[in-house]
Amino acid sequence: SQKIEQNSEALNIQEGKTATLTCNYTNYSPAYLQWYRQDPGRGPVFLLLIRENEKEKRKERLKVTFDTTLKQSLFHITASQPADSATYLCALHETGANNLFFGTGTRLTVIP
Amino acid sequence: DGGITQSPKYLFRKEGQNVTLSCEQNLNHDAMYWYRQDPGQGLRLIYYSQIVNDFQKGDIAEGYSVSREKKESFPLTVTSAQKNPTAFYLCASSMTQDQETQYFGPGTRLLVL
Repeated sequence: SQKIEQNSEALNIQEGKTATLTCNYTNYSPAYLQWYRQDPGRGPVFLLLIRENEKEKRKERLKVTFDTTLKQSLFHITASQPADSATYLCALHETGANNLFFGTGTRLTVIP
Repeated sequence: DGGITQSPKYLFRKEGQNVTLSCEQNLNHDAMYWYRQDPGQGLRLIYYSQIVNDFQKGDIAEGYSVSREKKESFPLTVTSAQKNPTAFYLCASSMTQDQETQYFGPGTRLLVL
């Protein structure tokens, strides 16, 4: 069956450290993968997109990697801040499909 | 939340009642989507529309209906046939069906009395 799994429901890290979130997928052939941020009671906000032929993408303190052999994407936040505390969702678009498929999310808490 | 608005923020439904959730966008996007979010689950697609007067069922369309009479509006009706409607409902849009980034509204939380 098709699955998108994010490494854990919750992740706590100390301010200033690098947070690493994992997204693994099974039985998908993604054309690209996206990461969204969602704050409590709000809609998700797009952060980064990485295509199947790209290994890495960066945006300010954010970095995404994509390994189609391992069927995995890693999302890194460097020099983390308490304001980075939120739930992070990965979503993939499969070639030929009409919509995005979302993971369950990882709730990140950055401790001051 | 970009140029997408959803109303109301909270909605209460009585047994046997149909309720309609509003979604409006001023981004001039062709494609619009409705998702349902439950605790511990990813967003699940209810319906989507690629163009005015056209829409398709998503993974969990049973008990829901939509219309797309105007480009900027994509209302969702939760019918009495939906036996477990309590959830957080999110509307999204993208420039086209193939345009990757989806822009989400603030969501409507539906509760059953």
